[in-house]
Amino acid sequence: GQNIDQPTEMTATEGAIVQINCTYQTSGFNGLFWYQQHAGEAPTFLSYNVLDGLEEKGRFSSFLSRSKGYSYLLLKELQMKDSASYLCAVWDSNYQLIWGAGTKLIIKP
Amino acid sequence: SQTIHQWPATLVQPVGSPLSLECTVEGTSNPNLYWYRQAAGRGLQLLFYSVGIGQISSEVPQNLSASRPQDRQFILSSKKLLLSDSGFYLCAWRPWTGRDTGELFFGEGSRLTVL
Repeated sequence: GQNIDQPTEMTATEGAIVQINCTYQTSGFNGLFWYQQHAGEAPTFLSYNVLDGLEEKGRFSSFLSRSKGYSYLLLKELQMKDSASYLCAVWDSNYQLIWGAGTKLIIKP
Repeated sequence: SQTIHQWPATLVQPVGSPLSLECTVEGTSNPNLYWYRQAAGRGLQLLFYSVGIGQISSEVPQNLSASRPQDRQFILSSKKLLLSDSGFYLCAWRPWTGRDTGELFFGEGSRLTVL
């Protein structure tokens, strides 16, 4: 079966750095996405990785290792508005998105 | 620019009543359209997707149905709601550009409570 694992919840302090991990086992791989979802709202796109390595976009970076079936989302200089759920999703060989359950990130002052 | 809207935003319906959620996309042609459901603390579950008018693929057998009567309109329906249909329903679209990155754009979401 296809599976995506990410921690259920993480807590971090305002101004700090946090890394949210995602591991996947899917039938084929055509890319990995990270989305941010604030409570009660729709997900919004953060990043897309299809090749190994680090993609940096402002305070957010996303890393991919295809050989390890592993990705992480790195958030720097945390702000209170970063409190949200972060969803990892993989595009499988049939170009269907397989979603993780999401990681709820709690930022404390 | 492209926009997506879905409505209603909130619904409280009794068991056994019908359902109709509507989604429209503006500013693009021939989008791929999706209906997802998100239960509390769970990942997104793909319900239906459509690559063109009248073309619907169902991912999960259930008492829901979908229709695409126009290129940029996607409707989720049920004849008789069950308690288990409660959840957050999301419509999404993906552009068909030939150079497809797969990024999904979501509507605002519809929260359905079945009592």
